[in-house]
Amino acid sequence: KAGVTQTPRYLIKTRGQQVTLSCSPISGHRSVSWYQQTPGQGLQFLFEYFSETQRNKGNFPGRFSGRQFSNSRSEMNVSTLELGDSALYLCASSFVGGAAEQYFGPGTRLTVT
Amino acid sequence: AQTVTQSQPEMSVQEAETVTLSCTYDTSESDYYLFWYKQPPSRQMILVIRQEAYKQQNATENRFSVNFQKAAKSFSLKISDSQLGDAAMYFCAYRSGGSQGNLIFGKGTKLSVKP
Repeated sequence: KAGVTQTPRYLIKTRGQQVTLSCSPISGHRSVSWYQQTPGQGLQFLFEYFSETQRNKGNFPGRFSGRQFSNSRSEMNVSTLELGDSALYLCASSFVGGAAEQYFGPGTRLTVT
Repeated sequence: AQTVTQSQPEMSVQEAETVTLSCTYDTSESDYYLFWYKQPPSRQMILVIRQEAYKQQNATENRFSVNFQKAAKSFSLKISDSQLGDAAMYFCAYRSGGSQGNLIFGKGTKLSVKP
């Protein structure tokens, strides 16, 4: 079974631009979560989607948004990029919440210059 | 709000020896799950071990075991017979029970394994 895939793997953007990251979950997984990983703040939860609905959201500004499609693939969008948005963005999928294991993708490394 | 604390930013262990990574957490919930994740350099995060709060028995996965002290809110990871491939960042994570719990991570412990 294929794992979680994320595209692109690396991205360089300029301040003020917007970016869209994509995540394809493991086949059969309907929950997709996004996390931001930085050296200073560590791993922080962005949001979770389940059956095309956002059902949980972390403490990030409205510039960060996401969506999920009927095939469970998810995208996250960051508008008006800031230098501080430079990070590794991780996507994780699972069957359902609770004890279900979250399987992580390799991440997208975003650099904002 | 729940918090997870890993007090050891870096640890080192000799190959074949045993090492214990510490993790404490704070919560007022009674239903939750605890995890240890491993993130090797430039590689994907993988789950090492999982513990349900309602289970008194400590979880074990091959060379990895935990010491779960619910009253003390402590969740340490013991790695026995350390191998070079165990070198990685290790993250302790908390998740509330129910269907909408996201993972709350500690800052991580960087483990080095000396040959």
